[in-house]
Amino acid sequence: GAVVSQHPSWVICKSGTSVKIECRSLDFQATTMFWYRQFPKQSLMLMATSNEGSKATYEQGVEKDKFLINHASLTLSTLTVTSAHPEDSSFYICSAFPGIGQTQYFGPGTRLLVL
Amino acid sequence: DQQVKQNSPSLSVQEGRISILNCDYTNSMFDYFLWYKKYPAEGPTFLISISSIKDKNEDGRFTVFLNKSAKHLSLHIVPSQPGDSAVYFCAATSGGGADGLTFGKGTHLIIQP
Repeated sequence: GAVVSQHPSWVICKSGTSVKIECRSLDFQATTMFWYRQFPKQSLMLMATSNEGSKATYEQGVEKDKFLINHASLTLSTLTVTSAHPEDSSFYICSAFPGIGQTQYFGPGTRLLVL
Repeated sequence: DQQVKQNSPSLSVQEGRISILNCDYTNSMFDYFLWYKKYPAEGPTFLISISSIKDKNEDGRFTVFLNKSAKHLSLHIVPSQPGDSAVYFCAATSGGGADGLTFGKGTHLIIQP
């Protein structure tokens, strides 16, 4: 149980285009999902907290207009990187939180390369 | 300012021996701590957690110890197995686990046969 999927797993795009990444909890509902980013040889950094039916909360330094988050249902959150640039190239990972007393379960990650 | 620190980038342990991974934190608001195992290009896999009201939690070969006064926690793996070779991340959060996680930089554990 507690499986989280991400799609796509790999994406290569041209600078200036937008990329959408999906995060799904497959066998449980998650009122809260989180988006993290990991640069090479760095730790995972929290980007934003996504709550179903409400606006996402962004961490300091993360541009909300660049990283659009939609949490339309209890099993799906999407992250759209708008007007992507090479410096946005990174490993994006989501996690889903089933509820108090439980842990966050992570997706397999999405590798984004912006040319 | 790093709120969760893992000061050992790598650790090499012989198979069958005990692996001890350390983690320090600075934020007193953290009340829930977790250890994750991660392979390259994959998401982290949850290993074990501990609430700030406890000082020890055990699950099979994995034990996590928490010293609140020292703001220090450690993960013990015994006996260490070749399949344990991976990067281990310490993470901390507040709100009983409901908030986003703050991660350390990770420790690359290498189990030698």
